[in-house]
Amino acid sequence: ETGVTQSPTHLIKTRGQQVTLRCSSQSGHNTVSWYQQALGQGPQFIFQYYREEENGRGNFPPRFSGLQFPNYSSELNVNALELDDSALYLCASSTGTPEAFFGQGTRLTVV
Amino acid sequence: RKEVEQDPGPFNVPEGATVAFNCTYSNSASQSFFWYRQDCRKEPKLLMSVYSSGNEDGRFTAQLNRASQYISLLIRDSKLSDSATYLCVVFTGGGNKLTFGTGTQLKVEL
Repeated sequence: ETGVTQSPTHLIKTRGQQVTLRCSSQSGHNTVSWYQQALGQGPQFIFQYYREEENGRGNFPPRFSGLQFPNYSSELNVNALELDDSALYLCASSTGTPEAFFGQGTRLTVV
Repeated sequence: RKEVEQDPGPFNVPEGATVAFNCTYSNSASQSFFWYRQDCRKEPKLLMSVYSSGNEDGRFTAQLNRASQYISLLIRDSKLSDSATYLCVVFTGGGNKLTFGTGTQLKVEL
């Protein structure tokens, strides 16, 4: 196991609601990245946090936001949920090197 | 054009077969390259890094051709447990992001 844990594992939300997903990084890892994986697609980069600062962002609208805490755990917040936000959300932690280790993911369904 | 392109498959092969997956990437500034394995409804797991000199890990061999912007993965003596989706992944320093292909599905059959 990678030591990266995500919560919750599954979630059902209604369109227009807000959601917060959580990630605890592997011990010693100071970098956390978030990815969205739609069915049948590869993961898409949302953003990365390094030492509590955003350190890169993919092509996602501002309603996708995040935080990293002093213990390097992280949150992903999504406002005004849309049906297309239904996906597996993956958190990956690393020491800043490209090799990333993923948590088991949060499966979000928007109805 | 997608940044990382893979044949989605599925590749259906008998146990013991040798199978090869290919991947191309569009950003010549890409710095690091990987193969990840993803089982159904699970998270991606790092299978191996890919180097220009080629690298081997047991039954798995990966190769990078920077001039052609091409990455390959060879699996020898396929096992039933190799059935999974194999994701070609490229790291580009600008943006600090990993870019994934859509994955190639492998099914190893008796």
